[in-house]
Amino acid sequence: QVQLVESGGGVVQPGRSLRLSCAASGFTFSSYAMHWVRQAPGKGLEWVAVIWYDGTDKYYADSVKGRFTISRDNSRNTLYLQMNSLRAEDTAVYYCARAMYTGTIDYWGQGTLVSVSS
Amino acid sequence: SYELTQPPSVSVSPGQTARITCSGDALPKRYSYWYQQKSGQAPVLVIYEDSKRPSGIPERFSGSSSGAMATLTISGAQVEDEADYYCYSTDSSGNHGVFGGGTKLTVL
Repeated sequence: QVQLVESGGGVVQPGRSLRLSCAASGFTFSSYAMHWVRQAPGKGLEWVAVIWYDGTDKYYADSVKGRFTISRDNSRNTLYLQMNSLRAEDTAVYYCARAMYTGTIDYWGQGTLVSVSS
Repeated sequence: SYELTQPPSVSVSPGQTARITCSGDALPKRYSYWYQQKSGQAPVLVIYEDSKRPSGIPERFSGSSSGAMATLTISGAQVEDEADYYCYSTDSSGNHGVFGGGTKLTVL
């Protein structure tokens, strides 16, 4: 069955960096686009970034563009999110999610919590 | 930046029909998707490509889209349907995702 397991979250000071990982299994990872979506405590879902199945195209929300980088290693079935210059407003649960070629985001991980605080 | 607008809350009695709307300028050209999120859990896809229902989702969940508005309908809502519901789509380029602000459905 499809499994997405995020890791790498934690407490980090403002201005520092953190890298999240998402380990995928149960499907052909290299055939699917992948997204990061976040949810601040008590708030709604916010789309963060997407990467094409082969890594050739990447798109970002305005709120993270220039600070976050999405990448993938299809040989390791792993998705990454490099987060630099972190701000308090980046505090959230970060989910990785799989997207079909049609654009449908169909499976989600359980999320990893990132807390930016001094 | 592009936005999708949902009502913050909808309330119905068990067995009644719940309708949650989502409006956005690009919806006439872009598919809408709906996700259910219960407290402390990851979102679950309940409607994709405006009106298709994934396997395992009860038939009481349906979706439609007309013009700049998409609608999630829960016919005969059950207590277990209480959750936050989010619409999702993309901007006109198709490259940037966007979620609506979410609607809290109360069934009591």
